[in-house]
Formats: sequence, C-alpha cells, structure tokens
Amino acid sequence: KNEVEQSPQNLTAQEGEFITINCSYSVGISALHWLQQHPGGGIVSLFMLSSGKKKHGRLIATINIQEKHSSLHITASHPRDSAVYICAVILINQFYFGTGTSLTVIP
Amino acid sequence: ETGVTQSPTHLIKTRGQQVTLRCSSQSGHNTVSWYQQALGQGPQFIFQYYREEENGRGNFPPRFSGLQFPNYSSELNVNALELDDSALYLCASSLYLVGSTDTQYFGPGTRLTVL
Repeated sequence: KNEVEQSPQNLTAQEGEFITINCSYSVGISALHWLQQHPGGGIVSLFMLSSGKKKHGRLIATINIQEKHSSLHITASHPRDSAVYICAVILINQFYFGTGTSLTVIP
Repeated sequence: ETGVTQSPTHLIKTRGQQVTLRCSSQSGHNTVSWYQQALGQGPQFIFQYYREEENGRGNFPPRFSGLQFPNYSSELNVNALELDDSALYLCASSLYLVGSTDTQYFGPGTRLTVL
C-alpha cells in the first residue's frame, strides 16, 4: 500500500474551471509538499504545508492534519496549468510521493 | 530557475556498468536529496545528505551510494547497473535548520537509460 494516495489520477478541465486535487496519507508527517512537474521532468515546489492553508496566485493548498488529507485547488484554470501535480509528505528524513495527478486544461 | 543544476542531462549506459550523476545545490543550502522517477511513476526517495553525511535512506540497495562535498554539491553513484535503473534522477536541495521544515528546490534531472 502506498503511503500517499492522490485522486484523481487524470483530470481534464475546460479553461476557467475550478480544479481540486486530493491527497491522503497514512503516516504521521512533519510537512507536505505540492509539486508541479511539466513534460520533460522539471519539478517545481508549489507549496510546503504543515498546517492550515496557503495561497499563491490562483493556487490554494489546504491541509487537515487530523484527517491526514490535503487538497490543491486551482481557480480560473488555464492551459498553462497543464502538468502533473504530485503530493509528497515528509516523515522525519523520509520522503513519500504520490503517483501524481495529470491535469490537462483545454482552451 | 531554482539554482539547482544537474549533470549530465542525458546518459546511456549498458547493464553492469557504473554511473555517477552530479548535482550542484542552490547557494546557501546544506541538504541534498536524491530521487528516482521511473516513467509514469511518482519520484521515489533514494537518500538525503546533510552536511556531508547520509541523513536518511529509502528502500534502495547498497549499490546506490552518494557523496556530499564541503561545498554541498553532491554525487549519486550507481554500481552494477540494471535495466530497471532506467529513470529520471532528480536531486533537490534545501536549507535544514533544527526545528524547521524545509522547502525543496529541484534540479532538472538526469535521464538515465540502461541498455
């Protein structure tokens, strides 16, 4: 069983739609990352959360430590948001990654 | 651009060979982590180095080894390459301070193909 589960695995949206990607984890963690990976491999860290909520532009990330759950929201989605979004949790010195959610935003 | 660089960008090796991948951390960072990402999969944690010492390791065999240098750059060495070692290898650097959690900055990766 994977320590980190993401849903959905694939997501297609129309430009402008509100998008939610979910992440559930089964271990106690010190922090959670949301990462964005574009074709070709480059990974960008979008957020690091240990509690509450963070917002950056059109992106919002929330985490509920008690429920071991985090969500990444994209408001007013745009085709340039098309990428794989990966949830990763940090437990002491170990990092566990979800398999990613592939998002395609259609103009 | 994160300031983390990796070399080479692509590499082709044959089974049984050895390979060394390099990572230059972002300035001021004292921690580097290495990840293996097979095609279509999420990254898998290989190990982390903090101040030149291994500080955590994932479920990888001993033929995966690493080094961190005094300037905090790092190497990943893989001996006796197997076909399944074909993957994108990512390094990420961060600044670890006691009592804080750290944001990781990823390099562009090295694409290794084992034939």
